[in-house]
Amino acid sequence: GENVEQHPSTLSVQEGDSAVIKCTYSDSASNYFPWYKQELGKRPQLIIDIRSNVGEKKDQRIAVTLNKTAKHFSLHITETQPEDSAVYFCAARFTGGGADGLTFGKGTHLIIQP
Amino acid sequence: NAGVTQTPKFQVLKTGQSMTLQCAQDMNHNSMYWYRQDPGMGLRLIYYSASEGTTDKGEVPNGYNVSRLNKREFSLRLESAAPSQTSVYFCASSPRLVSGELFFGEGSRLTVL
Repeated sequence: GENVEQHPSTLSVQEGDSAVIKCTYSDSASNYFPWYKQELGKRPQLIIDIRSNVGEKKDQRIAVTLNKTAKHFSLHITETQPEDSAVYFCAARFTGGGADGLTFGKGTHLIIQP
Repeated sequence: NAGVTQTPKFQVLKTGQSMTLQCAQDMNHNSMYWYRQDPGMGLRLIYYSASEGTTDKGEVPNGYNVSRLNKREFSLRLESAAPSQTSVYFCASSPRLVSGELFFGEGSRLTVL
């Protein structure tokens, strides 16, 4: 099945600086890669996603890049703010063997230092 | 505007007891999922249902059963709870089978003593 590796597990950055979280996946057939943000005690919520026919996607301060050849994708947050503090999860769609769903990475705890 | 609703939000069980987690969505979504979240492990898929009347195993199905009662409801049952099933459980739904956003419920925190 699909395996998603996410790094780093914890990331501390100064407010205003940029943050980058990286993920790799194993299944070359995967074609959908979302990122979820989970604040403490809350449910995960989608912040951005990218499909395999696109190399980069931006939405204001966040962007995601995808390298299908290397099977990795990254989340970039610029001009970080205190409200960006949360756990971020990358995910990749898996299919095959009758299964279809999302496999998540183990998460990155992003800490924004004032 | 409820979205995905899970009950109960908190539950404490003794080893060997059984219980059912209930999930309902009011967005007319076809696909529904149950995930468990453990510290440092991310979200792991237990079971999913592509449409009413169908269910499939995910990554960690052992010890669980599910029922897709109708299009709105998808329940998760623990027949004989074990301490290893202590976790936060999230139900989610999607308009299509993972080609779009997953909408999560608020989560159910289960402790098995």
